[in-house]
Amino acid sequence: DSGVTQTPKHLITATGQRVTLRCSPRSGDLSVYWYQQSLDQGLQFLIQYYNGEERAKGNILERFSAQQFPDLHSELNLSSLELGDSALYFCASSPQGFPYEQYFGPGTRLTVT
Amino acid sequence: GIQVEQSPPDLILQEGANSTLRCNFSDSVNNLQWFHQNPWGQLINLFYIPSGTKQNGRLSATTVATERYSLLYISSSQTTDSGVYFCAVERSGNTGKLIFGQGTTLQVKP
Repeated sequence: DSGVTQTPKHLITATGQRVTLRCSPRSGDLSVYWYQQSLDQGLQFLIQYYNGEERAKGNILERFSAQQFPDLHSELNLSSLELGDSALYFCASSPQGFPYEQYFGPGTRLTVT
Repeated sequence: GIQVEQSPPDLILQEGANSTLRCNFSDSVNNLQWFHQNPWGQLINLFYIPSGTKQNGRLSATTVATERYSLLYISSSQTTDSGVYFCAVERSGNTGKLIFGQGTTLQVKP
């Protein structure tokens, strides 16, 4: 158990819908990262937050957005869902300090039908 | 951007055999991690090893940062070692963004 929690574990929804994935980092970690794992693209970095502020952005679609709240939990919002958004979404967290070892949550498996 | 290449892509072993997985990267890095993704999809941290050598039980890893490669050794493999092994790097510059290789799929047969 990495200490990073993600809910829900599984999500099945229809095209065009909007979903929210939730992540709680390890106790004391200030950075949260979101990654997407799909069959065709592999594991890809989406976005990073550090203590509530956006720190780095990857190939995140405009239909996707994220935020980190004062209690450091993070949410990833996916809207206007398409079949191709079906994937495993991971959240990771890392401690303060440099450089960073990232610890991954169990993931949320999203299926868009 | 930085390229991460893992080899071999697939590996089939008999239980008890040893193996070496390789990760080549195209630029200098300040973070390198090895992960095992088990059949349930969980990503498990194996090593944080931007340079040097580490050992943990039957697993060990070596990163030669100057030559831009890392090796993961699995000795006396067990069926529970099956899954996908990923190498991920963070390019020097403190971006926080991990770039993953495509993985090595390992199957250990009893």
